[in-house]
Amino acid sequence: QVQLVQSGAEVKKPGSSVKVSCKVSGDTFNNYAISWLRQAPGQRPEWMGGIIPIYRTSNLAQDFLGRLTLTLDESASTAYMELSSLRSGDTAIYYCASRDPYNFDYFAYWGQGMLVTVSS
Amino acid sequence: DIVVTQSPDSLTVSLGERATINCKSSQSVLDPANSKNYLAWYQQKSGRPPKLLISWASTRESGVPDRFSGSGSGADFTLTISSVEAEDVAVYYCHQYYSNPQGTFGQGTKVE
Repeated sequence: QVQLVQSGAEVKKPGSSVKVSCKVSGDTFNNYAISWLRQAPGQRPEWMGGIIPIYRTSNLAQDFLGRLTLTLDESASTAYMELSSLRSGDTAIYYCASRDPYNFDYFAYWGQGMLVTVSS
Repeated sequence: DIVVTQSPDSLTVSLGERATINCKSSQSVLDPANSKNYLAWYQQKSGRPPKLLISWASTRESGVPDRFSGSGSGADFTLTISSVEAEDVAVYYCHQYYSNPQGTFGQGTKVE
């Protein structure tokens, strides 16, 4: 059974960047298109962007263009999400999620989430 | 953007009772080309990531108890828990993925 394992919580200053990792274990890395979603406290999840390892292509939501970078390290079976120019509104739990090699539609597999707190 | 609205925002039910959650999208999420509704339901327990219950409006995921069922088409959908158990306390989200890749979630319904 595939597992998505994320890095631990971080506290960041406004204006800085955060890089979140998502390691795929239990199956072949290329079998999973990785989406990144975030969920602010008490709010609904929000899709931020996704990356397809097989094609090494990514797709970003309009709201995050210019601030969001998605990368891969196939040797480590790990996907990364980096969000820059952090502000207090970016405080949220960040999830990686997937269902198959090609689609960002719905999500059968989720990482455990990583809390990012943006505070001065 | 397709806006997804759930009702009610919260629901208190007794053990063994039926729970019904409604989900309405601002436009149809039915693709006439394949007759599929691009709508999923998730359950989120406190401190946990969402768990996929139902995809394509009515297809239950493997391992999901059959007391959970999804119905509806077009822009109106329902998640029904036929006989609520204590472990069903959670927030439930509907999620349209018709506007793939940037799908949108409803605001959630808290079941207590």
